Amino acid sequence: DAGVIQSPRHEVTEMGQEVTLRCKPISGHDYLFWYRQTMMRGLELLIYFNNNVPIDDSGMPEDRFSAKMPNASFSTLKIQPSEPRDSAVYFCASSPVAWENIQYFGAGTRLSVL
Amino acid sequence: KQEVTQIPAALSVPEGENLVLNCSFTDSAIYNLQWFRQDPGKGLTSLLLIQSSQREQTSGRLNASLDKSSGRSTLYIAASQPGDSATYLCAVGSDYKLSFGAGTTVTVRA
Repeated sequence: DAGVIQSPRHEVTEMGQEVTLRCKPISGHDYLFWYRQTMMRGLELLIYFNNNVPIDDSGMPEDRFSAKMPNASFSTLKIQPSEPRDSAVYFCASSPVAWENIQYFGAGTRLSVL
Repeated sequence: KQEVTQIPAALSVPEGENLVLNCSFTDSAIYNLQWFRQDPGKGLTSLLLIQSSQREQTSGRLNASLDKSSGRSTLYIAASQPGDSATYLCAVGSDYKLSFGAGTTVTVRA
């Protein structure tokens, strides 16, 4: 398996624009996690899905953020409208069994909002 | 809420020295603890996973200990090499989630 695949690797956009980040989990993994990493706050869990259903979105910072998982092989994280403080690296991870907390991370998307 | 702290924030050592990285957490009700490595601009790679019932795990030059009652874990890297230069993250697993520390950035000088 190619591992968790995220796209794009880098995204530069202007304040107010819509941003969509994409993730393809490892085949057969039932759990998918979205994280954000910043210098100030480190790695934070934004939301996670089990079998395509959002289970815990308590880490989503604001209503501007939304995440979907239309099928087992694809998830999106959308920011609309984007703001400069959203600049960060966004990671997606997948796991076969959540309670074991063994998560496999993608390479991340580095987002810069100007 | 689980709080994870890593000390020191940065570490620079000459090649060949042993590395000691510390991690502490506030809630001892954990499933497991992991140590990850992150290279600049890259994702996270899992190094060691210690289940809550275990005291330590070893992989090659890496050894991680866990003292759940005191809320501490230590990662030892023996005979460091320049290739060990990276950021090392401690993550505590509980309630189906991972809570991360801020990381220790290690530089091994040749």
